[in-house]
Formats: sequence, structure tokens, C-alpha cells
Amino acid sequence: GQQLNQSPQSMFIQEGEDVSMNCTSSSIFNTWLWYKQDPGEGPVLLIALYKAGELTSNGRLTAQFGITRKDSFLNISASIPSDVGIYFCAGQNDYKLSFGAGTTVTVRA
Amino acid sequence: DTAVSQTPKYLVTQMGNDKSIKCEQNLGHDTMYWYKQDSKKFLKIMFSYNNKELIINETVPNRFSPKSPDKAHLNLHINSLELGDSAVYFCASSQGGPLGSEAFFGQGTRLTVV
Repeated sequence: GQQLNQSPQSMFIQEGEDVSMNCTSSSIFNTWLWYKQDPGEGPVLLIALYKAGELTSNGRLTAQFGITRKDSFLNISASIPSDVGIYFCAGQNDYKLSFGAGTTVTVRA
Repeated sequence: DTAVSQTPKYLVTQMGNDKSIKCEQNLGHDTMYWYKQDSKKFLKIMFSYNNKELIINETVPNRFSPKSPDKAHLNLHINSLELGDSAVYFCASSQGGPLGSEAFFGQGTRLTVV
């Protein structure tokens, strides 16, 4: 199957920090998607990427589709408390999304 | 209006029972999916349908039978429920096509088998 390696597995953020997470795969994907999931809710789409090398922003979020089509990263700038949650990358081919294991973002006490 | 809605949100049932989860999308999408999220939050595809036709069946036991009466609906029926079926099940939809497009998820159905 198509395996995605997402890192880090978890991270602590302090308000105002910039944070990054990334996904790599041994497979090429046509589309990369980034989602956020809050407790008890479904994944919510943050950013969709369709072209190799594409850099796309959505507010404080920036994501890039790697040139090789095998990787993507997500940056969150100036984090705020409501950024906590689980972030998932997903690669899409042939009517199927393959997900990374998620990055759990928690506020540092 | 909720784009992808699934019912029920919670389902508690005994082993051996048969249950169904319903999903509807009002986005006009051609492709619908069922995903299973385990206790470690890993999301794994179960089925995808395009224009009511089964495209992907990701080695799901025969006890799980999806049905798509039209493009806007993809229901999931589960026979002879087992303890290991306990999970959160998500329905999703996208415009489809092999190249991929934005996919939107429902709020999930938390199934607990006792």
C-alpha cells in the first residue's frame, strides 16, 4: 500500500511560535491535502495542493507540494491556542486518499 | 447546510448485531468514501465509489457492505458486529477523478460494540 511518513508525531507549541510538519512517501501523488481534526469532529480540509512545487497559503498556514511529488510540508505561523489538534497529511491518487499517522499539536504549559 | 452528513453520530450495540450508518453529501460530488479511524487516530480507507460504482475495496471483511443508491448517498451496513469493529467511521466525498481533488469529511460515527 501507499505509506506516508508524517513527522513529528507530536509537538508542543507556545503562542506566537512558528511550527512545521512534513510528510514523505515512497509513492508519487497527484494531489496533497492537509487536514486538521479536533476532538469529536471529522477532519477539516486546510489546504489542497495540485502541482509539484506549488506553494499555497491559507491565512497563517502555508503548504508546499514537493518537486518529486513524494513529499509535502505544512507551516503554521504565529501559532494561537486554537491551533491545537491533530494535523493529517493525505496523498491522493486514483480515488483514494492515503493518510499520514498525524501530528498532535498541544499547547506548552 | 452540512456538506457531508452521516447518521447516527454514536452507535452502541452488542456483538453479533447488524447495523447501518447512513451518509449523504450535498456538494454534487461524484466520489464518496468510507474511512475507519482506529484508537490511535489512524485513518484507513475502506471503500470508494465513483458515480455509484465501487472503485476501491481495501480488503474489508465481507461483513461490511456499502450501498450507493445514488451519487449523493453512500450507506454502510455491517453484519455480525465484532468487538474489533469498534472505531470511528467517516464518510467523505470529492469531485473525483483519478488525479484527485478536495475531499470533505462528515463528522463521524463512533461505533462501540459491547
